[in-house]
Amino acid sequence: RKEVEQDPGPFNVPEGATVAFNCTYSNSASQSFFWYRQDCRKEPKLLMSVYSSGNEDGRFTAQLNRASQYISLLIRDSKLSDSATYLCVVKTSNTGKLIFGQGTTLQVKP
Amino acid sequence: EPEVTQTPSHQVTQMGQEVILRCVPISNHLYFYWYRQILGQKVEFLVSFYNNEISEKSEIFDDQFSVERPDGSNFTLKIRSTKLEDSAMYFCASSALTSTSGAKNIQYFGAGTRLSVL
Repeated sequence: RKEVEQDPGPFNVPEGATVAFNCTYSNSASQSFFWYRQDCRKEPKLLMSVYSSGNEDGRFTAQLNRASQYISLLIRDSKLSDSATYLCVVKTSNTGKLIFGQGTTLQVKP
Repeated sequence: EPEVTQTPSHQVTQMGQEVILRCVPISNHLYFYWYRQILGQKVEFLVSFYNNEISEKSEIFDDQFSVERPDGSNFTLKIRSTKLEDSAMYFCASSALTSTSGAKNIQYFGAGTRLSVL
């Protein structure tokens, strides 16, 4: 089983749509959870951390279910500029090692 | 906003040659990392570094790889004898802390060095 698993997509949605991405992780001892965004041939950039209580940042909502080892990201009112690959990232050890999923590609069309 | 800087942006080398990839982490950060991403694949952890020591390394980080903090600002990744399969984007990252949640736990990535081994 992959350590962090995501549906690679692509997800093709019209502007204004709501889209949800899911991610599962295999290590129940994982400590911290993140969504990063990666544009083509660029570095990963933090979108948001994910907490058990769920958290929201503008149009973006992240949820964590530790019992199911499941993380989600919801994007409301999609913009053209949201087109990117969204990386589900898990930290398992105190050394800071991040484990990345394959990424889910989102293409928002006019 | 503080940022992690990496040089060069693109490095072309012949198989068997040594390369050194350079990084300047964010100035008040204490933890440093190297990751790589082969084209079309996921980002993979190579090594973490704290207090002038490697704190964790992956299976990819074999004897051909080494890291160094030669001075108070630079953090380098050396590949002694490059192979074709070392061709990838190499990202340096840094964080203030690792063991707590919150903003100081966040890793910030440099723009990467694209290594092409011919």
